[in-house]
Amino acid sequence: QKEVEQNSGPLSVPEGAIASLNCTYSDRGSQSFFWYRQYSGKSPELIMSIYSNGDKEDGRFTAQLNKASQYVSLLIRDSQPSDSATYLCAVNKNKLSFGAGTTVTVRA
Amino acid sequence: DVKVTQSSRYLVKRTGEKVFLECVQDMDHENMFWYRQDPGLGLRLIYFSYDVKMKEKGDIPEGYSVSREKKERFSLILESASTNQTSMYLCASSLNGGSGNTIYFGEGSWLTVV
Repeated sequence: QKEVEQNSGPLSVPEGAIASLNCTYSDRGSQSFFWYRQYSGKSPELIMSIYSNGDKEDGRFTAQLNKASQYVSLLIRDSQPSDSATYLCAVNKNKLSFGAGTTVTVRA
Repeated sequence: DVKVTQSSRYLVKRTGEKVFLECVQDMDHENMFWYRQDPGLGLRLIYFSYDVKMKEKGDIPEGYSVSREKKERFSLILESASTNQTSMYLCASSLNGGSGNTIYFGEGSWLTVV
């Protein structure tokens, strides 16, 4: 079982819609959770971090964490073409482990 | 802003060559990391370091070594490059060992081994 699993995508959404990205993790002792965005040919950049159960909102992004279900998600509201990228889920216990990423394409 | 600099962006090396990938961070971070990224596999941790002259194996250390002689510099070494080491290599740093510390990435080094 992989430490961090993401829906493989690609995910295509129309401009203005909500993009929903999912991530599950195997280590119940994981303590912190991150979403990174990576444009093609570029390095990952942090867009959200979440540490406790519930929702955390930052602009058009909302991260949701459910530790009992070992599940973390990212919602992108009012999706824009500039949101087209690969989104990486990362989970930290003693080290940071990444999922394989979900590629999102926002159609104009 | 935190800056993680990977000096070599694009390299082409021959099988069997020794390859050095250099990484420098300018924020006095204690932790430094080397990942490789391959399609469908995500980022995989090769080695990391929590202090000068200290190193720990990550998930895929085979075929690699590292050096951290100074706090700001973390080098990845491929002793004898092989074609299966063709990949993008990402260096990263974070402030210290706290699990909530943000990891900052360099721009990446694209290595092709022929």
